[in-house]
Amino acid sequence: DIQVTQSPSSLSASVGDRVTITCRASQRIADYLNWYQQKPGKAPKLLIYASSSLQSGVPSRFSGSGSGTDFTLTINSLQAEDFATYFCQQSYSSPTFGQGTKVEIK
Amino acid sequence: QVQLHESGPGLLKPSETLSLTCTVSGDSITSEYWSWFRQPPGKGLEYIAYIFYTGTTDYTPSLKSRVTISADTSKNQFSLRLDSVTVADTAVYYCARRRTVGSYHWFDSWGPGTLVTVSS
Repeated sequence: DIQVTQSPSSLSASVGDRVTITCRASQRIADYLNWYQQKPGKAPKLLIYASSSLQSGVPSRFSGSGSGTDFTLTINSLQAEDFATYFCQQSYSSPTFGQGTKVEIK
Repeated sequence: QVQLHESGPGLLKPSETLSLTCTVSGDSITSEYWSWFRQPPGKGLEYIAYIFYTGTTDYTPSLKSRVTISADTSKNQFSLRLDSVTVADTAVYYCARRRTVGSYHWFDSWGPGTLVTVSS
């Protein structure tokens, strides 16, 4: 299995902040990396696919980048509704997810 | 707009068989691949299996010996069976649609999830 490791596991931020979450794969996966947002008691929501493509309906303050083993999810100007847990998922082989990054209110 | 909804028993005893069904509306299950995931309380997401209506399936290696995924095109449903459950199988189970473009895929629509608790 390809392992994906997210960092940090949690962070505190304020509305308006720029937030960056990273994901590292245990082997090169080109741009086969997706990002999801999950709120408590809810299903995951797709934000970014193929490393940098924004899912339809997702605000443009969300962006993704990276290729190979290192990837980044950036949230520009954090909004109140963005406080949630974020997961990366590799689709190079049998899907595996990062352990999640919880974005909390500072 | 596609909608998915999981259904099945919420409480099982160890050694019993878990059976869940995902009902899809707004899309035909003949159009894409369809998947199951689970998430133990307070933990991360785990992929379980996917199916294409032609019968093509894939299973995560750690569960392959106990899992069966199937599809019923007449009902626009797909199902999951997990044999010989243990306490470790306690989780929220999600069904999801897998979109495929070329060699890329992602999971763009999810059911709300159903909590399955295994307890004696």
